[in-house]
Amino acid sequence: AQRVTQPEKLLSVFKGAPVELKCNYSYSGSPELFWYVQYSRQRLQLLLRHISRESIKGFTADLNKGETSFHLKKPFAQEEDSAMYYCALRAKAGNMLTFGGGTRLMVKP
Amino acid sequence: DAGVTQSPTHLIKTRGQQVTLRCSPKSGHDTVSWYQQALGQGPQFIFQYYEEEERQRGNFPDRFSGHQFPNYSSELNVNALLLGDSALYLCASSLADSHYGYTFGSGTRLTVV
Repeated sequence: AQRVTQPEKLLSVFKGAPVELKCNYSYSGSPELFWYVQYSRQRLQLLLRHISRESIKGFTADLNKGETSFHLKKPFAQEEDSAMYYCALRAKAGNMLTFGGGTRLMVKP
Repeated sequence: DAGVTQSPTHLIKTRGQQVTLRCSPKSGHDTVSWYQQALGQGPQFIFQYYEEEERQRGNFPDRFSGHQFPNYSSELNVNALLLGDSALYLCASSLADSHYGYTFGSGTRLTVV
């Protein structure tokens, strides 16, 4: 079975502070990991994929297979980063995505 | 490209009734997945359709069924509605076996009274 856990329901930081949204997963194989973001009154959208090792809007995430984690990080938070963030996993390309419960990030001015 | 479109946006049904939700995938996508998102929770996988067949299914009862048409659009049907079926239903499209993630629609908000 595959499972994704986001331990924090809410994360509140000040503008300019570093941000780390935690994601832990359980899966016996080599999964694909994703971060999705949902801004206020917008649809869920892909933020980044571990397979592409990219940085989007200043966010990065490194897959740590030893700790089974895929934490999302940004060195300096901006107010426009305030949103719901969901970590997701799938066993292989084309398979279903399993989502975590989400973390609400609030960036205060 | 309108992306993934879902209809209706909102729906109110009575317990015991049946409901049909509709989804048109993003242009070029051939796979449609349906998710249920209860308030304050992450999306839960219902099932996925590819080549007009159910390819994967999550832990949902048989009251939840679906269909995919030759133009790749899809329907989600829920029979014998329960109060607990009240949720946001999300449709997501993708290209089969692609390493890219899903493209999501805005969802249908179903309220069962």
